[in-house]
Amino acid sequence: ILNVEQSPQSLHVQEGDSTNFTCSFPSSNFYALHWYRWETAKSPEALFVMTLNGDEKKKGRISATLNTKEGYSYLYIKGSQPEDSATYLCAFSPMDSNYQLIWGAGTKLIIKP
Amino acid sequence: DGGITQSPKYLFRKEGQNVTLSCEQNLNHDAMYWYRQDPGQGLRLIYYSQIVNDFQKGDIAEGYSVSREKKESFPLTVTSAQKNPTAFYLCASLPGAMNTEAFFGQGTRLTVV
Repeated sequence: ILNVEQSPQSLHVQEGDSTNFTCSFPSSNFYALHWYRWETAKSPEALFVMTLNGDEKKKGRISATLNTKEGYSYLYIKGSQPEDSATYLCAFSPMDSNYQLIWGAGTKLIIKP
Repeated sequence: DGGITQSPKYLFRKEGQNVTLSCEQNLNHDAMYWYRQDPGQGLRLIYYSQIVNDFQKGDIAEGYSVSREKKESFPLTVTSAQKNPTAFYLCASLPGAMNTEAFFGQGTRLTVV
């Protein structure tokens, strides 16, 4: 059974502080790793889709790294702002499936002003 | 604006009733998906469709049915056979391969009364 784990489950961060959280996925049969931000009452929105080991992607204050050999990805948020409060989801796509995204349960981030 | 529209936002179902959740996209995406979210869990795949007039069961298809008569539309019917239908339902689409980002609707919250 393919499993994607995200940690921590929730996180309270002071405004202005930086933070990071983890997505763990099967290290074999890797095709792609997705990160999404899901704000309350909105649709999940894609942050990054990563395919290469060692890849680093950045969008504003948010960045992500990927280690496919050990099966983890980190999402970093620098200088957290209230608008960063959301649930962050990761999803793993295995090589032997052309349709499947296996989702973690998410990390709920709350920024304290 | 291109996007995915789900309706209704909230739906109440009586025991023994079938209900249909709507999902429409104008992104010209081939692949469409239905997910279910329960508290503390990742998104679980109900059904997916990669092309018109074709669809496949996901991990939790029992008690659900779908159709894909048009590229733009992928309605989900929650039948009376689904024993625990109270959940949040998300529709998504992708342009093609799993190394591209998914786009989501805003979801439908279904409650059995």
